[in-house]
Amino acid sequence: DAKTTQPTSMDCAEGRAANLPCNHSTISGNEYVYWYRQIHSQGPQYIIHGLKNNETNEMASLIITEDRKSSTLILPHATLRDTAVYYCIVRVSHSGNTPLVFGKGTRLSVIA
Amino acid sequence: DAGVTQSPTHLIKTRGQQVTLRCSPKSGHDTVSWYQQALGQGPQFIFQYYEEEERQRGNFPDRFSGHQFPNYSSELNVNALLLGDSALYLCASSRQPPTGRSETQYFGPGTRLLVL
Repeated sequence: DAKTTQPTSMDCAEGRAANLPCNHSTISGNEYVYWYRQIHSQGPQYIIHGLKNNETNEMASLIITEDRKSSTLILPHATLRDTAVYYCIVRVSHSGNTPLVFGKGTRLSVIA
Repeated sequence: DAGVTQSPTHLIKTRGQQVTLRCSPKSGHDTVSWYQQALGQGPQFIFQYYEEEERQRGNFPDRFSGHQFPNYSSELNVNALLLGDSALYLCASSRQPPTGRSETQYFGPGTRLLVL
Protein backbone atom coordinates (compact mmCIF):
# COMPACT_ATOMS: atom_id res chain seq x y z
CA ASP A 1 0.00 0.00 0.00
CA ALA A 2 1.04 3.57 -0.65
CA LYS A 3 2.55 5.32 2.38
CA THR A 4 1.28 8.74 1.35
CA THR A 5 -2.00 10.64 1.55
CA GLN A 6 -2.95 13.24 -1.04
CA PRO A 7 -6.15 15.19 -1.76
CA THR A 8 -8.20 13.61 -4.52
CA SER A 9 -8.44 16.74 -6.62
CA MET A 10 -7.45 20.42 -6.75
CA ASP A 11 -8.06 23.37 -9.03
CA CYS A 12 -5.61 26.14 -9.86
CA ALA A 13 -5.98 29.29 -11.95
CA GLU A 14 -3.65 29.56 -14.92
CA GLY A 15 -0.57 31.65 -14.10
CA ARG A 16 -0.91 31.13 -10.36
CA ALA A 17 1.23 28.85 -8.19
CA ALA A 18 -0.11 25.35 -7.68
CA ASN A 19 0.67 23.93 -4.24
CA LEU A 20 0.10 20.19 -3.98
CA PRO A 21 0.30 18.74 -0.45
CA CYS A 22 1.34 15.24 0.55
CA ASN A 23 1.24 13.58 3.95
CA HIS A 24 3.79 10.87 4.73
CA SER A 25 3.69 10.71 8.51
CA THR A 26 5.29 7.24 8.73
CA ILE A 27 8.30 8.08 6.56
CA SER A 28 11.61 6.56 7.67
CA GLY A 29 14.97 8.29 7.77
CA ASN A 30 16.22 6.45 4.69
CA GLU A 31 13.19 7.16 2.50
CA TYR A 32 13.05 9.74 -0.26
CA VAL A 33 9.96 11.67 -1.39
CA TYR A 34 9.41 11.42 -5.14
CA TRP A 35 6.89 13.27 -7.30
CA TYR A 36 5.65 12.11 -10.68
CA ARG A 37 2.80 13.35 -12.81
CA GLN A 38 0.72 11.62 -15.45
CA ILE A 39 -1.00 13.50 -18.21
CA HIS A 40 -4.02 11.65 -19.56
CA SER A 41 -3.11 8.18 -20.87
CA GLN A 42 0.62 8.92 -21.05
CA GLY A 43 3.41 7.36 -18.98
CA PRO A 44 4.22 9.00 -15.63
CA GLN A 45 6.73 11.85 -15.88
CA TYR A 46 9.38 12.33 -13.19
CA ILE A 47 9.25 15.79 -11.60
CA ILE A 48 11.53 15.98 -8.57
CA HIS A 49 12.65 14.14 -5.45
CA GLY A 50 14.24 14.95 -2.11
CA LEU A 51 15.37 13.45 1.18
CA LYS A 52 15.21 16.24 3.74
CA ASN A 53 16.30 19.49 2.13
CA ASN A 54 14.11 21.59 -0.11
CA GLU A 55 14.79 20.99 -3.79
CA THR A 56 14.18 23.04 -6.94
CA ASN A 57 14.56 22.24 -10.62
CA GLU A 58 13.26 23.67 -13.88
CA MET A 59 9.84 22.09 -13.37
CA ALA A 60 9.00 22.58 -9.71
CA SER A 61 10.05 23.10 -6.10
CA LEU A 62 9.73 20.51 -3.33
CA ILE A 63 9.31 21.74 0.22
CA ILE A 64 9.75 19.08 2.94
CA THR A 65 8.82 19.90 6.52
CA GLU A 66 11.53 19.70 9.16
CA ASP A 67 9.97 16.57 10.72
CA ARG A 68 9.67 15.09 7.18
CA LYS A 69 6.07 14.05 7.82
CA SER A 70 4.69 16.10 4.95
CA SER A 71 5.76 17.89 1.80
CA THR A 72 4.45 20.30 -0.81
CA LEU A 73 5.11 20.31 -4.53
CA ILE A 74 5.00 23.81 -5.97
CA LEU A 75 4.47 24.59 -9.65
CA PRO A 76 5.31 28.32 -9.64
CA HIS A 77 3.27 29.43 -12.67
CA ALA A 78 0.75 26.77 -13.63
CA THR A 79 -0.27 26.44 -17.27
CA LEU A 80 -3.05 24.44 -18.89
CA ARG A 81 -0.45 21.81 -19.82
CA ASP A 82 0.14 21.15 -16.12
CA THR A 83 -3.32 19.57 -15.85
CA ALA A 84 -2.52 15.99 -14.77
CA VAL A 85 -2.61 13.48 -11.92
CA TYR A 86 0.25 14.14 -9.50
CA TYR A 87 1.67 11.26 -7.47
CA CYS A 88 3.66 11.64 -4.26
CA ILE A 89 5.70 8.51 -3.52
CA VAL A 90 7.90 7.52 -0.58
CA ARG A 91 10.78 5.30 -1.62
CA VAL A 92 13.55 3.60 0.32
CA SER A 93 17.00 4.81 -0.62
CA HIS A 94 19.18 1.84 0.36
CA SER A 95 20.92 -0.28 -2.21
CA GLY A 96 18.78 -1.84 -4.84
CA ASN A 97 16.33 -0.31 -7.24
CA THR A 98 13.20 -0.37 -5.11
CA PRO A 99 9.86 -0.30 -6.95
CA LEU A 100 7.64 2.76 -6.90
CA VAL A 101 4.41 2.31 -4.94
CA PHE A 102 1.75 4.59 -6.39
CA GLY A 103 -1.41 5.74 -4.64
CA LYS A 104 -4.29 7.40 -6.44
CA GLY A 105 -2.62 10.81 -6.58
CA THR A 106 -4.11 14.30 -6.86
CA ARG A 107 -5.93 15.31 -10.01
CA LEU A 108 -4.86 18.92 -10.68
CA SER A 109 -7.04 20.94 -13.03
CA VAL A 110 -5.55 24.21 -14.25
CA ILE A 111 -8.32 26.57 -15.26
CA ALA A 112 -8.01 29.44 -17.77
CA ASP B 1 11.11 12.90 -23.83
CA ALA B 2 12.60 10.38 -21.38
CA GLY B 3 13.98 8.13 -24.10
CA VAL B 4 12.17 4.94 -23.04
CA THR B 5 10.29 3.35 -25.93
CA GLN B 6 7.56 0.71 -25.88
CA SER B 7 5.81 -1.29 -28.57
CA PRO B 8 3.14 -1.71 -29.66
CA THR B 9 1.19 1.37 -28.54
CA HIS B 10 -2.15 -0.44 -28.59
CA LEU B 11 -3.14 -4.09 -28.73
CA ILE B 12 -6.41 -6.01 -28.79
CA LYS B 13 -6.50 -9.67 -27.75
CA THR B 14 -9.16 -12.19 -26.79
CA ARG B 15 -9.44 -14.18 -23.58
CA GLY B 16 -7.04 -17.10 -23.38
CA GLN B 17 -4.54 -15.66 -25.83
CA GLN B 18 -0.94 -14.76 -25.08
CA VAL B 19 0.69 -11.35 -25.54
CA THR B 20 4.25 -10.00 -25.66
CA LEU B 21 5.05 -6.37 -24.98
CA ARG B 22 8.45 -4.79 -25.62
CA CYS B 23 10.51 -2.07 -23.98
CA SER B 24 13.78 -0.37 -24.85
CA PRO B 25 15.36 1.50 -21.93
CA LYS B 26 16.87 4.94 -21.97
CA SER B 27 20.48 5.09 -23.15
CA GLY B 28 22.84 4.30 -20.28
CA HIS B 29 20.20 2.46 -18.24
CA ASP B 30 20.52 -1.22 -17.39
CA THR B 31 17.42 -1.95 -15.30
CA VAL B 32 13.86 -2.33 -16.53
CA SER B 33 10.75 -2.38 -14.35
CA TRP B 34 7.24 -3.20 -15.54
CA TYR B 35 4.02 -1.77 -14.12
CA GLN B 36 0.33 -2.39 -14.79
CA GLN B 37 -2.14 0.48 -14.59
CA ALA B 38 -5.85 -0.32 -14.54
CA LEU B 39 -8.30 2.42 -15.45
CA GLY B 40 -8.58 5.01 -12.70
CA GLN B 41 -5.81 3.49 -10.59
CA GLY B 42 -2.15 4.23 -10.02
CA PRO B 43 0.45 1.96 -11.62
CA GLN B 44 1.22 -1.33 -9.84
CA PHE B 45 4.65 -2.95 -9.89
CA ILE B 46 4.87 -6.27 -11.75
CA PHE B 47 8.59 -7.12 -11.77
CA GLN B 48 12.08 -5.78 -12.40
CA TYR B 49 14.94 -7.09 -14.55
CA TYR B 50 18.63 -6.45 -14.13
CA GLU B 51 21.52 -8.41 -15.63
CA GLU B 52 18.99 -10.54 -17.53
CA GLU B 53 17.42 -11.86 -14.32
CA GLU B 54 14.19 -11.10 -12.51
CA ARG B 55 15.31 -9.31 -9.36
CA GLN B 56 12.07 -8.24 -7.70
CA ARG B 57 8.45 -9.18 -8.22
CA GLY B 58 5.14 -7.68 -7.17
CA ASN B 59 1.92 -9.51 -6.37
CA PHE B 60 1.21 -10.87 -9.85
CA PRO B 61 0.55 -14.49 -10.89
CA ASP B 62 3.09 -16.46 -12.84
CA ARG B 63 1.03 -15.94 -15.99
CA PHE B 64 3.10 -12.75 -16.08
CA SER B 65 6.68 -13.43 -17.10
CA GLY B 66 9.48 -11.47 -18.61
CA HIS B 67 12.86 -11.45 -20.17
CA GLN B 68 15.78 -9.08 -20.48
CA PHE B 69 18.21 -9.20 -23.36
CA PRO B 70 21.97 -8.43 -23.38
CA ASN B 71 21.23 -4.97 -24.84
CA TYR B 72 19.06 -4.30 -21.73
CA SER B 73 15.78 -4.27 -23.65
CA SER B 74 12.98 -6.27 -22.10
CA GLU B 75 9.78 -8.17 -22.88
CA LEU B 76 6.68 -8.72 -20.78
CA ASN B 77 4.68 -11.85 -21.58
CA VAL B 78 1.20 -12.55 -20.33
CA ASN B 79 -0.33 -16.00 -20.88
CA ALA B 80 -3.96 -17.10 -20.72
CA LEU B 81 -5.27 -13.55 -20.89
CA LEU B 82 -8.22 -12.58 -18.70
CA LEU B 83 -10.60 -9.67 -19.16
CA GLY B 84 -9.06 -8.15 -16.03
CA ASP B 85 -5.66 -7.94 -17.73
CA SER B 86 -6.96 -5.01 -19.78
CA ALA B 87 -4.76 -2.12 -18.70
CA LEU B 88 -1.97 0.28 -19.61
CA TYR B 89 1.36 -1.53 -19.29
CA LEU B 90 4.24 0.73 -18.43
CA CYS B 91 7.95 0.16 -18.65
CA ALA B 92 10.38 2.18 -16.55
CA SER B 93 14.14 2.22 -16.93
CA SER B 94 16.89 3.20 -14.50
CA ARG B 95 20.45 2.49 -13.57
CA GLN B 96 21.42 0.26 -10.70
CA PRO B 97 22.26 2.66 -7.89
CA PRO B 98 25.40 2.69 -5.77
CA THR B 99 24.85 1.41 -2.25
CA GLY B 100 22.75 3.82 -0.21
CA ARG B 101 21.53 5.78 -3.20
CA SER B 102 18.22 5.98 -5.00
CA GLU B 103 18.03 6.07 -8.78
CA THR B 104 15.16 7.73 -10.60
CA GLN B 105 12.95 5.56 -12.81
CA TYR B 106 11.89 7.03 -16.16
CA PHE B 107 8.73 5.76 -17.81
CA GLY B 108 7.85 5.01 -21.39
CA PRO B 109 4.53 5.95 -23.01
CA GLY B 110 2.96 2.57 -22.27
CA THR B 111 1.13 -0.12 -24.22
CA ARG B 112 -2.65 -0.15 -23.90
CA LEU B 113 -3.93 -3.73 -23.91
CA LEU B 114 -7.61 -4.52 -24.38
CA VAL B 115 -8.75 -8.08 -23.75
CA LEU B 116 -12.14 -8.99 -25.24
